[in-house]
Amino acid sequence: NAGVMQNPRHLVRRRGQEARLRCSPMKGHSHVYWYRQLPEEGLKFMVYLQKENIIDESGMPKERFSAEFPKEGPSILRIQQVVRGDSAAYFCASSGPNSYEQYFGPGTRLTVT
Amino acid sequence: QKEVEQNSGPLSVPEGAIASLNCTYSDRGSQSFFWYRQYSGKSPELIMFIYSNGDKEDGRFTAQLNKASQYVSLLIRDSQPSDSATYLCAVNQGSSNTGKLIFGQGTTLQVKP
Repeated sequence: NAGVMQNPRHLVRRRGQEARLRCSPMKGHSHVYWYRQLPEEGLKFMVYLQKENIIDESGMPKERFSAEFPKEGPSILRIQQVVRGDSAAYFCASSGPNSYEQYFGPGTRLTVT
Repeated sequence: QKEVEQNSGPLSVPEGAIASLNCTYSDRGSQSFFWYRQYSGKSPELIMFIYSNGDKEDGRFTAQLNKASQYVSLLIRDSQPSDSATYLCAVNQGSSNTGKLIFGQGTTLQVKP
């Protein structure tokens, strides 16, 4: 599968727990983006990363949310102490080093109970 | 004024007709423009991108860009029921192509057999 991979596809967490969402970019892609889609709302940019660098985190909530893209392994979006308002679909996208086109993964649907 | 605006629809067209989807954006310095298709419960799928004024055709799809009017559109010829989906307009804001895509709310297209 050469596409963007995300796991888990569905994640259920109780309020106060931590959620970790993983994203492996498309083969040959080195840029990763995270977006959130709240129910009945549009897609909102969260963060843009390259290997070991956060390029733009202007869409990340100031607290509880963090993202990384280590030298080895997938990109991780981490949400600490989840609240019900964090329930959403979280999509990862990737692009090549000299390209602006972003390709999306299948998403992780997070439900906070 | 929203950064990227689309008519939410639904836009209903008969099978075989041309569907015309429109999008306006506020940042005059924007350089790259994208159309994504999103089926209910699925992730966005990139169907067209355009960077220069004018028309760009790919199969049944034509993207049109008018930077002076800050307007981008998507035409779908010979519409099929399988084209029924939400179409998202996305703009990479600013003159430096930062990677941050701003999405419109999407237009729901219904193609009736």
